[in-house]
Amino acid sequence: EPEVTQTPSHQVTQMGQEVILRCVPISNHLYFYWYRQILGQKVEFLVSFYNNEISEKSEIFDDQFSVERPDGSNFTLKIRSTKLEDSAMYFCASRKRAGTDTQYFGPGTRLTVL
Amino acid sequence: AQKITQTQPGMFVQEKEAVTLDCTYDTSDPSYGLFWYKQPSSGEMIFLIYQGSYDQQNATEGRYSLNFQKARKSANLVISASQLGDSAMYFCAMTPGNTDKLIFGTGTRLQVFP
Repeated sequence: EPEVTQTPSHQVTQMGQEVILRCVPISNHLYFYWYRQILGQKVEFLVSFYNNEISEKSEIFDDQFSVERPDGSNFTLKIRSTKLEDSAMYFCASRKRAGTDTQYFGPGTRLTVL
Repeated sequence: AQKITQTQPGMFVQEKEAVTLDCTYDTSDPSYGLFWYKQPSSGEMIFLIYQGSYDQQNATEGRYSLNFQKARKSANLVISASQLGDSAMYFCAMTPGNTDKLIFGTGTRLQVFP
């Protein structure tokens, strides 16, 4: 069964450094998402992406964040200058169609900012 | 405001018994989707079941069923014949009609004991 994959599984970085989190969505999916979950809290939406552009973003997704689909398979989240409060689990998700179709999540990348 | 409320921070159930996890939602959109995800201690988000707002029948997927009461705006998850492997965090989520982002509740931690 096809699945969303994410690398790395765990990333440790120093405050102020740039990080890139990578995702490979399910191959025939068209809609892509990033969510984050701070330890012990609920999952929060960051951004949705379709047709090579951002379709929606949350208040969390400020100028420090960017997303890109550099080729036909990868979908990346970049944090330009990490802060301590960026420490969280970051989930990538993908969906085949618009509307209320199911979003399938990757296993997550745990980002630790020191 | 679009919101998901899960009022049970933790639930216990004995193996082989059924358990109901509560979820209420708030949206003014007539079209929406309701989802349940399972998050084991390993951290990944596993899709369990989906209910569309216009679906006439309650969704079922194996041992999972969704008790959808539209007038009460509730979408409770029923797990029948609980297994030890069902011990996990369970999140209820919604996609309101005007957006495709998932809005999550705070989750319920289910513990199944022998």
